[in-house]
Amino acid sequence: KAGVTQTPRYLIKTRGQQVTLSCSPISGHRSVSWYQQTPGQGLQFLFEYFSETQRNKGNFPGRFSGRQFSNSRSEMNVSTLELGDSALYLCASSLGGTGQGYTFGSGTRLTVV
Amino acid sequence: DQQVKQNSPSLSVQEGRISILNCDYTNSMFDYFLWYKKYPAEGPTFLISISSIKDKNEDGRFTVFLNKSAKHLSLHIVPSQPGDSAVYFCAASEGGYNKLIFGAGTRLAVHP
Repeated sequence: KAGVTQTPRYLIKTRGQQVTLSCSPISGHRSVSWYQQTPGQGLQFLFEYFSETQRNKGNFPGRFSGRQFSNSRSEMNVSTLELGDSALYLCASSLGGTGQGYTFGSGTRLTVV
Repeated sequence: DQQVKQNSPSLSVQEGRISILNCDYTNSMFDYFLWYKKYPAEGPTFLISISSIKDKNEDGRFTVFLNKSAKHLSLHIVPSQPGDSAVYFCAASEGGYNKLIFGAGTRLAVHP
């Protein structure tokens, strides 16, 4: 069974631009969560979508947004990029329960220059 | 405010010995704790978990211990193998919500 697919794997953007990252969950998984990983900060929770609705949200500014489609695929958007947004963005899907059922994708490495 | 802390950024252990990774938390409302393992260029993979009603959970070479009064958990790997070399993250959640709070990670190196 296919895992969680994140595209693109690598991305370089300029400050002030916006970016959209995509995540295709495991078939049948209805929950998609997004995390940001930076050196020394571990993984920080961005938000979770379940059945096209945002169910949980972390402490990130409004420049970070997301959505989920009817097929459970999710996109994350970051507007007005800042240098500090450079990070590995990880998507995880699950059936909808607690984090034990998370399956992570390999991530999108975003570099802002 | 880091609610989950892994104070050791790295740990080096000899093959065959025990690896002990530690994690502290501050939020007494956390009721579920997990350990994830991450190799370079891959997403984290789930290793083992424990709920707050238990103080120990074992799965093969991996055992997680929870000390609620000290707000401390640890992961023991016995015996350690070179393939265990990775970054280990502890994580916690509250109320069964699908929102995990992760520590900063500990890089484990198991050498022959």
